[in-house]
Amino acid sequence: EPEVTQTPSHQVTQMGQEVILRCVPISNHLYFYWYRQILGQKVEFLVSFYNNEISEKSEIFDDQFSVERPDGSNFTLKIRSTKLEDSAMYFCASSEGQGLEAFFGQGTRLTVV
Amino acid sequence: LAKTTQPISMDSYEGQEVNITCSHNNIATNDYITWYQQFPSQGPRFIIQGYKTKVTNEVASLFIPADRKSSTLSLPRVSLSDTAVYYCLVGENYGGATNKLIFGTGTLLAVQP
Repeated sequence: EPEVTQTPSHQVTQMGQEVILRCVPISNHLYFYWYRQILGQKVEFLVSFYNNEISEKSEIFDDQFSVERPDGSNFTLKIRSTKLEDSAMYFCASSEGQGLEAFFGQGTRLTVV
Repeated sequence: LAKTTQPISMDSYEGQEVNITCSHNNIATNDYITWYQQFPSQGPRFIIQGYKTKVTNEVASLFIPADRKSSTLSLPRVSLSDTAVYYCLVGENYGGATNKLIFGTGTLLAVQP
């Protein structure tokens, strides 16, 4: 069964450092998403991406965040200058079409120290 | 997006049928009802989606009354591995204005032997 893969599974970084979280969405999917889940809290939408541009973003997704699809397979989330409160599980997801079933990856646990 | 309300937690025993009800009083005409499952430290996983009446797949059934102000996810004969958080989401699909998922706090289902 096709799946969304994320790397790394766990990343520890120092406050103020830049991190790039990587995702390989399912190959025939057109919509890509990033979500995050702070420990013990809800899954929160960050951004959706379609046709090589952001289609929607939340208030959380400020200027510190950016997304990119650098080639035909990868989808990345960059946090420019990490803060302690960025510590969370970050999930990448993809879907075939708008509003259709979203497939989530296993997540990257980001720990900012 | 319609707000959803569901129990914070439920307990069950192996082999029992579990019904989790979600209230969505402000559901709009174009909204679909979708349920996701999340195991600890994993990404959410799509279970089932419906618009009205009853939908059944190999995992669960979804019952939606005529007024669509609530829905019930039914899990037949649960096992220990069904212990997870179950989320009810309501929003436009299939070409709707938004393609983001808004997760609530979900229902933590604990299945005991």
